[in-house]
Amino acid sequence: AQSVTQLGSHVSVSEGALVLLRCNYSSSVPPYLFWYVQYPNQGLQLLLKYTTGATLVKGINGFEAEFKKSETSFHLTKPSAHMSDAAEYFCAVGDNTDKLIFGTGTRLQVFP
Amino acid sequence: DAGVIQSPRHEVTEMGQEVTLRCKPISGHNSLFWYRQTMMRGLELLIYFNNNVPIDDSGMPEDRFSAKMPNASFSTLKIQPSEPRDSAVYFCASSFNGPGAAGELFFGEGSRLTVL
Repeated sequence: AQSVTQLGSHVSVSEGALVLLRCNYSSSVPPYLFWYVQYPNQGLQLLLKYTTGATLVKGINGFEAEFKKSETSFHLTKPSAHMSDAAEYFCAVGDNTDKLIFGTGTRLQVFP
Repeated sequence: DAGVIQSPRHEVTEMGQEVTLRCKPISGHNSLFWYRQTMMRGLELLIYFNNNVPIDDSGMPEDRFSAKMPNASFSTLKIQPSEPRDSAVYFCASSFNGPGAAGELFFGEGSRLTVL
């Protein structure tokens, strides 16, 4: 069975500060890992994904995540937060089927 | 290109009434997913279809919920009878997957259901 744990349901940063959203996964097979973002009253949209190959993955809006197998982690980072980054972020894990299992989400607040 | 289209965007109904949510996936996608999002439980996978066939409905909460996909361009999620605890945002998502791979999900904007 697969699962995802997102540490911290709320994260607050100042504009220009580093953003770090944590995600740990459990999977019995090599995982596919995803980060999605949800803006208010909208559906989720893909930020980035890891399937195979390079463990540092770059996504849209300056976000990136690193797959660390030894730590079973896939943390999301952005060097400098922008006000427009305020949203809810979901980590998800998939396997060799079509299913994605989502974490409970982390709400990011950005203060001026 | 049109994304995943869901209707209605908002529905308010009374307990005991039948609710039907509709979804049109992205053309060419072969997998379709229904998720439910609540504050308490987060994002839950209810059911998913591959090539119009239900593959996993283990997330469907109870017999009051049913989902169909009569063709590649349309799916419904029905709740009968509805209860206040069914109040949530229901998302439809679609993807194109080859064998043995998890592809990117494309989400609709959701249907916000309120059962009074």
